[in-house]
Amino acid sequence: DTEVTQTPKHLVMGMTNKKSLKCEQHMGHRAMYWYKQKAKKPPELMFVYSYEKLSINESVPSRFSPECPNSSLLNLHLHALQPEDSALYLCASSQVPGQIYGYTFGSGTRLTVV
Amino acid sequence: AQSVTQLGSHVSVSEGALVLLRCNYSSSVPPYLFWYVQYPNQGLQLLLKYTSAATLVKGINGFEAEFKKSETSFHLTKPSAHMSDAAEYFCAVSENTGTASKLTFGTGTRLQVTL
Repeated sequence: DTEVTQTPKHLVMGMTNKKSLKCEQHMGHRAMYWYKQKAKKPPELMFVYSYEKLSINESVPSRFSPECPNSSLLNLHLHALQPEDSALYLCASSQVPGQIYGYTFGSGTRLTVV
Repeated sequence: AQSVTQLGSHVSVSEGALVLLRCNYSSSVPPYLFWYVQYPNQGLQLLLKYTSAATLVKGINGFEAEFKKSETSFHLTKPSAHMSDAAEYFCAVSENTGTASKLTFGTGTRLQVTL
């Protein structure tokens, strides 16, 4: 299995809703990442988990809450989002260190906040 | 912090012509560089990576890139463009922050291939 699987592929949520994005990989990678990509822009790093511990938080608002329950699974919990949070959310994974082995990306969850 | 700059947000070539997408890096240490491709409404696919083993790196789909330290460049090329190459291309640099590694992207270049 050489894939990173993200669910759901599309999500529409209201500003008062609570939802979660899920990311799963079975490649034995011990680092996992969340990126946010706005239309016609490059992906921007949000969080990095290394060996299931949060290692990097790029000053992301607290309405985004990451969780790494085990080495194969990464969640992003969403609460009280704003319309400007609408974007493609990409998950990635890598062996450690990522710069040696490269990063594998999922196909993303397209989030619309209404 | 390390960074990459992509020159040209949009490049248009004819089918069968040479593809050249430009990327320059800024790093005080030997960089780890990547090229990714993104097709519409899809995730990112790794084309190739430079990790200091060889300056000329061959990737998938006939793409290659050459690392030139003197020019701080890592340009992506393909001898003959195909219609299926039309996509967004991102150059990226990876650095270790001490606690984890992170990947930072350039602004991207949209490649258009015309008949």
